[in-house]
Order: sequence, then C-alpha cells, then structure tokens
Amino acid sequence: SQQGEEDPQALSIQEGENATMNCSYKTSINNLQWYRQNSGRGLVHLILIRSNEREKHSGRLRVTLDTSKKSSSLLITASRAADTASYFCATDGRGGGADGLTFGKGTHLIIQP
Amino acid sequence: ETGVTQSPTHLIKTRGQQVTLRCSSQSGHNTVSWYQQALGQGPQFIFQYYREEENGRGNFPPRFSGLQFPNYSSELNVNALELDDSALYLCASSYLAGGKGEQYFGPGTRLTVT
Repeated sequence: SQQGEEDPQALSIQEGENATMNCSYKTSINNLQWYRQNSGRGLVHLILIRSNEREKHSGRLRVTLDTSKKSSSLLITASRAADTASYFCATDGRGGGADGLTFGKGTHLIIQP
Repeated sequence: ETGVTQSPTHLIKTRGQQVTLRCSSQSGHNTVSWYQQALGQGPQFIFQYYREEENGRGNFPPRFSGLQFPNYSSELNVNALELDDSALYLCASSYLAGGKGEQYFGPGTRLTVT
C-alpha cells in the first residue's frame, strides 16, 4: 500500500519558474526522503530530512517537513528542462524492523523550454 | 548514476513461468532491498536482505523469494508468474543496517508477463 500521497499528480511550468510539490503521509517516521525518476528508470536520491528537522536545502532544492501535519514539500527553484521527471517522497518508518521505504505515487513534473 | 547494476534490462515471460532477476550492490553496501513499481505507481517494498538473510518483507506472496550472496549481490526469484507481475523491478543498496536512510537504486529490470 502507498503511505504517501504527492500533490499535484502532474505539474507543467515554464523554464526558470519555481516548482513546488507536496507530500502527505500517515504514520510516524524516522525520516522523509525525496527521489527523482527519469522515464521509468532507476530512482535518484535528492535529499533526506530527519523527523527532528523542519527545513533543509541542497543546491536548488528546498525541503520542509511538518510532522504535526504529516506533510512535506519540495521546492525546486529556477527550474531547468533537465528537471523534467517524476518526483517521489518516501518515508522511513519508526518500526525497528527492516520495512523498507514507503513511496507515494509521485508528481510528474514537466518543464517547458 | 549509482554503482548499482541490474540484469537483464528487459524480460518477457509467459504466465506460469519462473524468472530470476539479478542485482549487484554498490561497493561497501551490505543491504539490498527489492521494489516493484507498476506503471504509474510508486515503488512498493518487496523484501530486504542484510548479510545474506532476509530481514524484512513487504506485502508480497511467498512466490517472491530472494537470495543475497557473500559479495552482497542479490537475486529476486518469482515463481508462477501472473499478468499483474508485469512491472519495473528495482533493487536498492545501502550501507546502514536495516536499510535505513538513503538508498542507491539500480536502473531496474522491466518485466512483461504475457
């Protein structure tokens, strides 16, 4: 089952604009991660934010986490055509076992040149 | 690109057959996880191997099985293939016990069951 839900499902913007994607999840987490996937290929890790962090930056990426609302957002600033991809949030649960990452359905981002 | 490799890239099988998919983890990583990604969906966790033993499993039936070898490479075996098994199969390696934290994904194997 999918824990996370990304919003919107699809987003199309002009190159140079900022893109914001949101993610909601259901259970307590250790951390939340964002991944990018190009055309049905492997996933690339973008950024990890721990449950005790509220905001994190990496280059043009800014991630926020609100554990009280069980939500996160990914902001990509000054978008480029190469940013066209699907973006997934994934949660790493607090369970002691190895239960893997739980992914949402993703946001498909299209950057128009 | 990560150092995780998968083979084959594409595979076409008939319903009822068996399939083996392979994964070589990134150097230094002792944990391998397998995920199934249906078209238009996010990846779903199948199971994880740590030091050659399965140490976590998602909601997949026993006909999905695996192995991890001393060099930490891994296999995913699926018996009695069903049409719904058609998907992209991804393996991911990590260096933290239990596979917590950042995962390094391979390019995937696209399985089509006819």
